Amino acid sequence: AQTVTQSQPEMSVQEAETVTLSCTYDTSENNYYLFWYKQPPSRQMILVIRQEAYKQQNATENRFSVNFQKAAKSFSLKISDSQLGDTAMYFCAFMIERGGSEKLVFGKGTKLTVNP
Amino acid sequence: GAGVSQTPSNKVTEKGKYVELRCDPISGHTALYWYRQSLGQGPEFLIYFQGTGAADDSGLPNDRFFAVRPEGSVSTLKIQRTERGDSAVYLCASSQTGQGTGELFFGEGSRLTVL
Repeated sequence: AQTVTQSQPEMSVQEAETVTLSCTYDTSENNYYLFWYKQPPSRQMILVIRQEAYKQQNATENRFSVNFQKAAKSFSLKISDSQLGDTAMYFCAFMIERGGSEKLVFGKGTKLTVNP
Repeated sequence: GAGVSQTPSNKVTEKGKYVELRCDPISGHTALYWYRQSLGQGPEFLIYFQGTGAADDSGLPNDRFFAVRPEGSVSTLKIQRTERGDSAVYLCASSQTGQGTGELFFGEGSRLTVL
């Protein structure tokens, strides 16, 4: 079974500073995908960044980047130049694509607060 | 539509009642997912539709839960004989099948409260 663990229930950071959210996962698969989703108070989950396991290069999307350590099964999210709008729940998620099904397995989330 | 639409936004019901939650996915998306998110938890997979058929219903907790998607677009999640433990936010998501992107587009969810 695939599991995703987020060990930080809550984090806080000052505006404009950098914060790193941790995520580890467990799987016996070799080909899979990893994601970070953001859930603001509106409840709508929004994709932040995606990483294919077969790619060694860490994904980057503007202020968001990941540190993917496949051997350690670690997938952390770094947010640079934090903004007040980054305040939200952040979920790490794992996916194996089978038969067109893109079923995501989520961690429990980290509540991030950006302070002015 | 422009995004995934879910109705109702909030639903309060009494234990033992029947409820229906509706999801209208993004136009053209053939894949549709239902997830359940309990307080303080991440979303948990319930069921996946490819077109009109349920391709994977392994996440449905018991036979009180059922979902349909008769025309391959709108889906309805049906819960019979509701229990207090069913209280949660029910999220719907859609995607383009076979893209391999893993980018599911989520609605804002339906918050169900069973008294």
